Amino acid sequence: EAEVAQSPRYKITEKSQAVAFWCDPISGHATLYWYRQILGQGPELLVQFQDESVVDDSQLPKDRFSAERLKGVDSTLKIQPAELGDSAMYLCASSSNRVASYEQYFGPGTRLTVT
Amino acid sequence: AQTVTQSQPEMSVQEAETVTLSCTYDTSENNYYLFWYKQPPSRQMILVIRQEAYKQQNATENRFSVNFQKAAKSFSLKISDSQLGDTAMYFCAFTTDAGNMLTFGGGTRLMVKP
Repeated sequence: EAEVAQSPRYKITEKSQAVAFWCDPISGHATLYWYRQILGQGPELLVQFQDESVVDDSQLPKDRFSAERLKGVDSTLKIQPAELGDSAMYLCASSSNRVASYEQYFGPGTRLTVT
Repeated sequence: AQTVTQSQPEMSVQEAETVTLSCTYDTSENNYYLFWYKQPPSRQMILVIRQEAYKQQNATENRFSVNFQKAAKSFSLKISDSQLGDTAMYFCAFTTDAGNMLTFGGGTRLMVKP
């Protein structure tokens, strides 16, 4: 069964360093989402792509976060510089718009610890 | 803006018994979609069950069923014959259309005890 792939699974970085996360959605899924999940809370959307275009990045802290999906397939989320408050799980999800599907498929996440 | 509230941070249930997780939401939309997602410890989030707001019939998936009360904006999840593998965080989520972002509640941690 196809799955959303994310790497790395765990990342420890020091404050002010740069960090990047990678996501490979399920093949054929046009919509890709990055969510941030603080421990003990529900995920919150950071950015949503439709193919290579950003649909919603209203909650993305653009002074330090950037996201791209250059060829409309895999995606990278970058933080520079990292801050202590960025420690969280970063989840990638994808969905298909070929049918009226409302299901988002989630990857295993990248757990970031900023020290 | 839509909001989703889960008022039970933690719950526990004995194996084979039934448990109900609560969820309320707030929206001005008339057509929307509600979900329950399960996030096991150190594993990825998976969809448990979905409900379209225009459908009056409550959704069921094997041991999982929902009680959808549109007027009350309530969407509870009932797990029957609880199994040890049901131990997880459960998130209620909402979206207004296919391809739109999900708005999640804060989650309920469910522990199934042997």
